[in-house]
Amino acid sequence: SQQGEEDPQALSIQEGENATMNCSYKTSINNLQWYRQNSGRGLVHLILIRSNEREKHSGRLRVTLDTSKKSSSLLITASRAADTASYFCATDRAGSYQLTFGKGTKLSVIP
Amino acid sequence: DGGITQSPKYLFRKEGQNVTLSCEQNLNHDAMYWYRQDPGQGLRLIYYSQIVNDFQKGDIAEGYSVSREKKESFPLTVTSAQKNPTAFYLCASKSAGGDEQFFGPGTRLTVL
Repeated sequence: SQQGEEDPQALSIQEGENATMNCSYKTSINNLQWYRQNSGRGLVHLILIRSNEREKHSGRLRVTLDTSKKSSSLLITASRAADTASYFCATDRAGSYQLTFGKGTKLSVIP
Repeated sequence: DGGITQSPKYLFRKEGQNVTLSCEQNLNHDAMYWYRQDPGQGLRLIYYSQIVNDFQKGDIAEGYSVSREKKESFPLTVTSAQKNPTAFYLCASKSAGGDEQFFGPGTRLTVL
Protein backbone atom coordinates (compact mmCIF):
# COMPACT_ATOMS: atom_id res chain seq x y z
CA SER A 1 0.00 0.00 0.00
CA GLN A 2 1.20 3.53 -0.69
CA GLN A 3 1.48 5.49 2.49
CA GLY A 4 2.76 8.81 1.16
CA GLU A 5 0.48 11.03 -0.87
CA GLU A 6 1.90 14.11 -2.56
CA ASP A 7 0.00 17.26 -3.24
CA PRO A 8 -0.38 18.78 -5.77
CA GLN A 9 -0.17 16.08 -8.45
CA ALA A 10 1.22 18.63 -10.88
CA LEU A 11 2.71 22.09 -10.47
CA SER A 12 3.76 24.59 -13.12
CA ILE A 13 5.76 27.70 -12.20
CA GLN A 14 7.99 30.32 -13.78
CA GLU A 15 11.74 30.15 -13.43
CA GLY A 16 12.85 32.01 -10.32
CA GLU A 17 9.68 31.28 -8.35
CA ASN A 18 9.55 28.97 -5.36
CA ALA A 19 7.92 25.54 -5.58
CA THR A 20 6.24 23.87 -2.63
CA MET A 21 5.16 20.24 -2.58
CA ASN A 22 3.40 18.48 0.26
CA CYS A 23 3.34 14.89 1.44
CA SER A 24 0.97 13.22 3.87
CA TYR A 25 1.41 9.79 5.40
CA LYS A 26 -0.60 7.49 7.63
CA THR A 27 1.51 5.63 10.15
CA SER A 28 4.43 6.39 12.45
CA ILE A 29 7.78 6.78 10.76
CA ASN A 30 11.45 6.88 11.63
CA ASN A 31 12.32 9.14 8.73
CA LEU A 32 10.90 10.68 5.57
CA GLN A 33 12.88 11.07 2.36
CA TRP A 34 12.40 13.06 -0.82
CA TYR A 35 13.52 11.77 -4.21
CA ARG A 36 13.60 13.31 -7.65
CA GLN A 37 12.97 11.52 -10.96
CA ASN A 38 13.69 12.96 -14.36
CA SER A 39 11.45 11.61 -17.08
CA GLY A 40 12.24 7.98 -17.90
CA ARG A 41 15.13 7.80 -15.44
CA GLY A 42 15.86 6.36 -12.03
CA LEU A 43 15.24 8.18 -8.76
CA VAL A 44 17.83 10.34 -7.06
CA HIS A 45 17.85 10.93 -3.32
CA LEU A 46 17.49 14.60 -2.34
CA ILE A 47 17.11 14.87 1.40
CA LEU A 48 16.15 12.91 4.50
CA ILE A 49 14.49 14.22 7.64
CA ARG A 50 14.21 12.16 10.80
CA SER A 51 11.11 11.98 12.97
CA ASN A 52 12.75 14.05 15.71
CA GLU A 53 13.62 16.86 13.29
CA ARG A 54 11.28 19.66 12.25
CA GLU A 55 13.20 21.34 9.46
CA LYS A 56 16.21 20.61 7.29
CA HIS A 57 18.03 22.52 4.57
CA SER A 58 20.20 21.43 1.67
CA GLY A 59 21.18 24.08 -0.85
CA ARG A 60 17.96 25.41 -2.39
CA LEU A 61 15.90 22.70 -0.70
CA ARG A 62 14.02 23.08 2.56
CA VAL A 63 12.09 20.21 4.09
CA THR A 64 9.74 20.42 7.03
CA LEU A 65 8.15 17.62 8.99
CA ASP A 66 5.10 17.77 11.24
CA THR A 67 4.67 14.39 12.89
CA SER A 68 1.49 15.48 14.69
CA LYS A 69 -0.16 16.11 11.33
CA LYS A 70 1.75 13.32 9.59
CA SER A 71 2.84 15.67 6.85
CA SER A 72 5.96 17.04 5.21
CA SER A 73 6.68 19.74 2.71
CA LEU A 74 9.49 20.24 0.23
CA LEU A 75 10.34 23.80 -0.81
CA ILE A 76 12.58 24.49 -3.78
CA THR A 77 13.64 28.12 -3.84
CA ALA A 78 14.59 30.15 -6.90
CA SER A 79 13.56 27.35 -9.25
CA ARG A 80 15.38 26.65 -12.49
CA ALA A 81 14.27 24.94 -15.68
CA ALA A 82 16.57 22.06 -14.71
CA ASP A 83 14.38 21.43 -11.64
CA THR A 84 11.67 20.12 -13.95
CA ALA A 85 11.06 16.56 -12.74
CA SER A 86 8.76 14.43 -10.60
CA TYR A 87 9.30 14.56 -6.85
CA PHE A 88 8.40 11.69 -4.53
CA CYS A 89 8.25 11.40 -0.80
CA ALA A 90 9.09 8.07 0.77
CA THR A 91 8.54 6.86 4.30
CA ASP A 92 10.28 4.02 6.00
CA ARG A 93 8.40 1.09 7.45
CA ALA A 94 9.41 0.75 11.07
CA GLY A 95 11.62 -2.23 11.71
CA SER A 96 12.18 -3.03 8.06
CA TYR A 97 14.41 -2.15 5.16
CA GLN A 98 11.45 -1.02 3.09
CA LEU A 99 10.34 2.39 1.85
CA THR A 100 6.81 3.33 0.80
CA PHE A 101 6.59 5.86 -2.01
CA GLY A 102 3.85 8.31 -2.84
CA LYS A 103 2.56 8.96 -6.35
CA GLY A 104 4.66 12.06 -6.81
CA THR A 105 4.32 15.70 -7.80
CA LYS A 106 5.23 16.56 -11.38
CA LEU A 107 6.96 19.93 -11.40
CA SER A 108 7.37 21.97 -14.56
CA VAL A 109 9.56 25.06 -14.41
CA ILE A 110 8.99 27.35 -17.37
CA PRO A 111 12.02 29.34 -18.56
CA ASP B 1 32.80 4.39 -11.09
CA GLY B 2 30.37 3.01 -8.54
CA GLY B 3 26.69 2.59 -9.05
CA ILE B 4 23.82 0.41 -10.12
CA THR B 5 23.32 -0.81 -13.65
CA GLN B 6 20.21 -2.28 -15.17
CA SER B 7 19.91 -4.01 -18.49
CA PRO B 8 18.46 -3.90 -20.95
CA LYS B 9 17.12 -0.34 -21.08
CA TYR B 10 14.19 -1.44 -23.26
CA LEU B 11 12.71 -4.93 -23.44
CA PHE B 12 9.93 -6.30 -25.55
CA ARG B 13 8.20 -9.53 -24.73
CA LYS B 14 5.55 -11.61 -26.36
CA GLU B 15 2.66 -12.78 -24.25
CA GLY B 16 3.40 -16.09 -22.56
CA GLN B 17 7.17 -15.57 -22.40
CA ASN B 18 9.29 -15.24 -19.30
CA VAL B 19 11.90 -12.48 -19.30
CA THR B 20 14.71 -11.66 -16.89
CA LEU B 21 15.78 -8.15 -16.00
CA SER B 22 19.33 -7.64 -14.80
CA CYS B 23 20.42 -5.51 -11.84
CA GLU B 24 24.05 -5.22 -10.76
CA GLN B 25 25.64 -2.98 -8.12
CA ASN B 26 29.24 -2.37 -7.13
CA LEU B 27 28.45 -0.28 -4.07
CA ASN B 28 28.94 -3.22 -1.70
CA HIS B 29 25.37 -2.77 -0.50
CA ASP B 30 23.65 -5.55 1.39
CA ALA B 31 20.04 -4.73 0.53
CA MET B 32 18.55 -4.67 -2.95
CA TYR B 33 15.04 -3.91 -4.17
CA TRP B 34 12.84 -4.22 -7.23
CA TYR B 35 10.05 -1.70 -7.87
CA ARG B 36 7.45 -1.37 -10.55
CA GLN B 37 6.30 2.05 -11.77
CA ASP B 38 3.22 2.58 -13.91
CA PRO B 39 2.52 5.87 -15.76
CA GLY B 40 1.74 8.71 -13.37
CA GLN B 41 2.14 6.43 -10.40
CA GLY B 42 4.57 5.98 -7.59
CA LEU B 43 6.80 2.99 -7.01
CA ARG B 44 5.42 -0.31 -5.81
CA LEU B 45 7.70 -2.85 -4.17
CA ILE B 46 7.92 -6.24 -5.90
CA TYR B 47 10.68 -8.05 -3.99
CA TYR B 48 13.55 -7.13 -1.74
CA SER B 49 16.63 -8.82 -0.37
CA GLN B 50 18.47 -7.86 2.78
CA ILE B 51 21.32 -10.33 2.34
CA VAL B 52 22.69 -12.90 -0.06
CA ASN B 53 20.54 -16.03 -0.44
CA ASP B 54 17.56 -14.38 1.21
CA PHE B 55 14.66 -12.37 -0.22
CA GLN B 56 11.11 -11.41 0.70
CA LYS B 57 7.96 -10.59 -1.20
CA GLY B 58 6.88 -7.01 -1.46
CA ASP B 59 3.41 -5.65 -2.11
CA ILE B 60 2.98 -6.99 -5.66
CA ALA B 61 5.12 -10.16 -5.93
CA GLU B 62 2.61 -12.29 -7.83
CA GLY B 63 3.90 -13.22 -11.29
CA TYR B 64 7.50 -12.30 -10.45
CA SER B 65 10.49 -14.23 -9.12
CA VAL B 66 13.99 -13.25 -7.97
CA SER B 67 17.26 -14.76 -6.86
CA ARG B 68 20.17 -13.41 -4.80
CA GLU B 69 23.09 -15.74 -5.33
CA LYS B 70 25.67 -12.95 -5.28
CA LYS B 71 25.83 -9.73 -3.28
CA GLU B 72 26.24 -7.70 -6.46
CA SER B 73 23.34 -9.15 -8.43
CA PHE B 74 19.57 -9.29 -7.98
CA PRO B 75 17.86 -10.40 -11.22
CA LEU B 76 14.10 -10.19 -11.62
CA THR B 77 12.13 -12.65 -13.75
CA VAL B 78 8.77 -11.55 -15.05
CA THR B 79 6.84 -14.75 -15.64
CA SER B 80 3.91 -15.46 -17.91
CA ALA B 81 1.75 -15.50 -14.79
CA GLN B 82 2.10 -11.71 -14.52
CA LYS B 83 -1.01 -10.57 -16.38
CA ASN B 84 -0.11 -6.94 -16.92
CA PRO B 85 3.69 -6.72 -17.04
CA THR B 86 4.08 -3.63 -19.22
CA ALA B 87 5.73 -1.09 -16.91
CA PHE B 88 8.95 0.65 -15.92
CA TYR B 89 11.06 -1.48 -13.57
CA LEU B 90 13.51 0.07 -11.14
CA CYS B 91 16.19 -1.62 -9.09
CA ALA B 92 17.69 -0.05 -5.98
CA SER B 93 20.21 -0.86 -3.30
CA LYS B 94 21.00 0.31 0.21
CA SER B 95 23.79 -0.20 2.70
CA ALA B 96 22.98 -2.01 5.91
CA GLY B 97 23.51 1.06 8.08
CA GLY B 98 22.08 3.65 5.73
CA ASP B 99 18.61 4.99 4.91
CA GLU B 100 19.04 6.27 1.37
CA GLN B 101 18.29 3.99 -1.56
CA PHE B 102 20.35 4.24 -4.72
CA PHE B 103 18.50 3.60 -7.96
CA GLY B 104 19.47 2.19 -11.31
CA PRO B 105 18.36 3.82 -14.57
CA GLY B 106 15.43 1.43 -15.05
CA THR B 107 14.19 -1.06 -17.64
CA ARG B 108 11.07 -0.36 -19.66
CA LEU B 109 9.26 -3.61 -20.41
CA THR B 110 6.61 -3.74 -23.09
CA VAL B 111 4.48 -6.79 -23.79
CA LEU B 112 3.48 -7.10 -27.41
